[in-house]
Amino acid sequence: AQSVTQLDSHVSVSEGTPVLLRCNYSSSYSPSLFWYVQHPNKGLQLLLKYTSAATLVKGINGFEAEFKKSETSFHLTKPSAHMSDAAEYFCVVSGSGTASKLTFGTGTRLQVTL
Amino acid sequence: NAGVMQNPRHLVRRRGQEARLRCSPMKGHSHVYWYRQLPEEGLKFMVYLQKENIIDESGMPKERFSAEFPKEGPSILRIQQVVRGDSAAYFCASGGRGAYEQYFGPGTRLTVT
Repeated sequence: AQSVTQLDSHVSVSEGTPVLLRCNYSSSYSPSLFWYVQHPNKGLQLLLKYTSAATLVKGINGFEAEFKKSETSFHLTKPSAHMSDAAEYFCVVSGSGTASKLTFGTGTRLQVTL
Repeated sequence: NAGVMQNPRHLVRRRGQEARLRCSPMKGHSHVYWYRQLPEEGLKFMVYLQKENIIDESGMPKERFSAEFPKEGPSILRIQQVVRGDSAAYFCASGGRGAYEQYFGPGTRLTVT
């Protein structure tokens, strides 16, 4: 079985400052990991994915995440927050192999202030 | 290239009625997944289907819920005799053969009154 834990339910940053959203995973096999973003009353958009290639993964909108096996972490970062980044972010782990169900974390709400 | 399409976007049902939610996957995708999001929670897996086959229904409630993905047409998630606790956003995702990632539709927000 696999699971993810998002360590912060809410994060607030000022516009132009760095963003760090933390995620730890648990998996009995080599996991595939994702970050999705959900804007209010919208669907989910894939930000980035890790599937056992490079451990530093670059995604859309300037986001990136680093897979650290020794720490079982997959934290999401962005050097400079923008107001449009305010949304709910979900760390997600996939089941073994391709075409498997996704297991979602409980989400981190990112607030960006002026 | 249209993304995953879901309809209706909003659905209101009285207790005891039936709800039918539809999902058309992205072009070329043969795998469909349904997830439910309760208020202030993350998404929970319900069922994974391929054309005419249910592959994994480990997240489906045992009663009142069913899903299908026929040879022709969209995938359908059907909820019979809805109760207030069924009020949620239901998301459909699709994936290609051999792919890890899934692409989500805009969701159907079901309200049971």
